[in-house]
Amino acid sequence: GAGVSQSPRYKVAKRGQDVALRCDPISGHVSLFWYQQALGQGPEFLTYFQNEAQLDKSGLPSDRFFAERPEGSVSTLKIQRTQKEDSAVYLCASSLIQGLANFNEQFFGPGTRLTVL
Amino acid sequence: GENVEQHPSTLSVQEGDSAVIKCTYSDSASNYFPWYKQELGKRPQLIIDIRSNVGEKKDQRIAVTLNKTAKHFSLHITETQPEDSAVYFCAASLRISSGSARQLTFGSGTQLTVLP
Repeated sequence: GAGVSQSPRYKVAKRGQDVALRCDPISGHVSLFWYQQALGQGPEFLTYFQNEAQLDKSGLPSDRFFAERPEGSVSTLKIQRTQKEDSAVYLCASSLIQGLANFNEQFFGPGTRLTVL
Repeated sequence: GENVEQHPSTLSVQEGDSAVIKCTYSDSASNYFPWYKQELGKRPQLIIDIRSNVGEKKDQRIAVTLNKTAKHFSLHITETQPEDSAVYFCAASLRISSGSARQLTFGSGTQLTVLP
């Protein structure tokens, strides 16, 4: 396998619809991050997993956002009752080893561009 | 939390000239500073990073400097080429208290255009 993959690449949703965005990290990567990138801005942290454990969800903007990684590999970001302000690119990133002494590169996926009409 | 500011937001240079992008950060605990290049519609890709125990790092035409006292770091690209045109993001890592991974706090990006 190549790098991090995400699907779908593009998603158009009507306001109020639920959406699910998938991330396939690099095989064996322990850490998985979700970021939200608004147009013309840098990515903003949403949530972080270490294997299947969600260790930080402080960046999730509301309780409409939910993420899971049940088997410690593939992750899904779900947005319920989408709003126009949810329109953004959602990026997933993974890194190999967690640990205080390690500075491991985060490898990004291509992102899912979500447009809420 | 951490706050990263980046400038300029746009930068145009002539091919062969140098480009400098500057970032400041707020949290003195941050100790890892990567730079990402993002071409239009593509994923961010790491181009260089620096840890807080060094002041400068160079990789061919790219160099990064870090001033921990002033809490700022800079990206330097020499002998720019048209293929260097992209959006560049600086970032700082903030330790998560409940775990040991490092989320990234990004700057707002610099659109670099290298004119042929």
